[in-house]
Amino acid sequence: EPEVTQTPSHQVTQMGQEVILRCVPISNHLYFYWYRQILGQKVEFLVSFYNNEISEKSEIFDDQFSVERPDGSNFTLKIRSTKLEDSAMYFCASSQGADSPLHFGNGTRLTVT
Amino acid sequence: GEDVEQSLFLSVREGDSSVINCTYTDSSSTYLYWYKQEPGAGLQLLTYIFSNMDMKQDQRLTVLLNKKDKHLSLRIADTQTGDSAIYFCAENADSWGKLQFGAGTQVVVTP
Repeated sequence: EPEVTQTPSHQVTQMGQEVILRCVPISNHLYFYWYRQILGQKVEFLVSFYNNEISEKSEIFDDQFSVERPDGSNFTLKIRSTKLEDSAMYFCASSQGADSPLHFGNGTRLTVT
Repeated sequence: GEDVEQSLFLSVREGDSSVINCTYTDSSSTYLYWYKQEPGAGLQLLTYIFSNMDMKQDQRLTVLLNKKDKHLSLRIADTQTGDSAIYFCAENADSWGKLQFGAGTQVVVTP
């Protein structure tokens, strides 16, 4: 069964550094998402992306965050200057249509020191 | 605002049925989901139900939806040790892809 893949599985970075989290959505899916889960908290929506632009973003998704689909297969989340509070598990998801269920990847655990 | 609540822990004996409950607040939800997360793994879509349905069955899984009470449940028949995981309830109240998750119910299956 096709799946969403995320790399790396674990990323450690120093505060103030830029990180790029990578995702390969399911190939025939058109809608892409990033969510995150801070340890001990609920999974939270960050951003949705369709047709090469952001459809919706949450309050968490401030100017430090950006998303990109640099080619036909990858979908990336960039955090420009990481803060300690950005430490979390980041999940990428994709769906075939706007009203289709979301399929999630295994997540990237980001640790900011 | 929207909120999704779940009990945090459920212990069940192998072979018994598990029932995981969830309540939500937003009546405009169109889909309600159950995701499973095993240790170190991602969120696996288990099943989902349209808001105009009240029951959906898929092999050992039965989802019941009570829209009046805003209550969703997941029943796992003949629970196995491989069913030990965290189960998340989620709804898409605001927009299609913006899911609101519960905190997750940790299910522990004992022999």
